[in-house]
This record gives sequence, C-alpha cells and structure tokens, in this order.
Amino acid sequence: EPEVTQTPSHQVTQMGQEVILRCVPISNHLYFYWYRQILGQKVEFLVSFYNNEISEKSEIFDDQFSVERPDGSNFTLKIRSTKLEDSAMYFCASSGQGGSYEQYFGPGTRLTVT
Amino acid sequence: AQSVTQLGSHVSVSEGALVLLRCNYSSSVPPYLFWYVQYPNQGLQLLLKYTTGATLVKGINGFEAEFKKSETSFHLTKPSAHMSDAAEYFCAVTSNRDDKIIFGKGTRLHILP
Repeated sequence: EPEVTQTPSHQVTQMGQEVILRCVPISNHLYFYWYRQILGQKVEFLVSFYNNEISEKSEIFDDQFSVERPDGSNFTLKIRSTKLEDSAMYFCASSGQGGSYEQYFGPGTRLTVT
Repeated sequence: AQSVTQLGSHVSVSEGALVLLRCNYSSSVPPYLFWYVQYPNQGLQLLLKYTTGATLVKGINGFEAEFKKSETSFHLTKPSAHMSDAAEYFCAVTSNRDDKIIFGKGTRLHILP
C-alpha cells in the first residue's frame, strides 16, 4: 500500500538555524499539506499546496516558513530561523483530491530546537 | 469557521467494555468528519470517515461512528475494548470548500486489564 514518508524522523537543531523537513507524498496525489503537533496539544494545520503554489496557510505559517516541491516527488517545509517554540512533531499529508477526500499522513518528523 | 470539541482528554475503560469517545463539531457548511488514531510515537491513521450517505460509518479495528446532524455529533464507539486500542484518538472536520482538516484536542484512551 502506498504511503507518505518523511525524513528525518527526528531533527535536533539550535535556535536560529535553518531546517528543512522532507516528505515524499503518495505518487499520484495532487494536494499536499503540512501540520504540526506541539507536545501534548492538538494537531494544527500549517499550509496546503496545490499546483505548485500555496492554497491556504494558517496564522502559524509566517515568513519564517516556506514550502517547496522541488522535483515533482519531494515536498519540503523550511523553517528559516528556528525558535524554541517551533519544537513540535511535523506531519506531512497528501490527498488525491482536495476537500473531503482522505488525507494520508506521514509518520512525522520530531523537531527539537535547543 | 469550523471547530471540533472532544469531551474528555482521558477516557479509561476495562478490556471487553464498550468504548465511547465523544465528538461534537461546529460547521456552517455540510461537514466531512473523520476519526484518526495515533499510537505512541507514530503518525496519524484514519479510522473512519463520514462524507455523505449512510450516517453510521464503520471503520477499521471494529470501530464505528454515527453522524447526528441534529446533535452536531460524531461519537466513536467500539463494542468491546482490546488492550491494543490504547492510543490517542482525534476527531476532525473539513468541508468541501476548505482543504485543511481541523482537529480536536484528542482523547487518550486507556484500557484497564
């Protein structure tokens, strides 16, 4: 069964450093998403991406964040200058169609900012 | 705007007992509703979903949920709990217009031997 993969599974970085979280969505999917889950809290939407552009972004997704689909298979989330409060589990998801259709989630990348 | 409220951040049931996890939603448009399960240190797995049609939906691992529009609820049930059901459960909502999924705060299910 096809699945969404994410690398690395755990990333430790120092405050102020740039990080790139990588995702490989399911190959024929067209819609891509990033969510995050701060420890002990609910999963929050960050951004959706379709047709090589951002469809929607949340208030959390400020200028420090960017997304890219550089080569038609990978989907990346970049945090330009990490802050302590960026420590969270980041989930990538993909969907064959938008809206009501199932989003398939990856296993997540745990980001720890020290 | 859409929102999800899950009653009870922790629920404990005995093995073999009924599992009932409560979820209420708010949506100005017809909702599409989901239950996801998260096992420790793992990602989110879809248990079941309601989009249109039959209001009682069956999912994996013996779980089911009923969409009740009049009560704006989508409670998750399982007739007989198993130790392997211990996990965090998230109710979620989206709409046909919005791509993003709005999650509830989650309910951690504990199974007592």
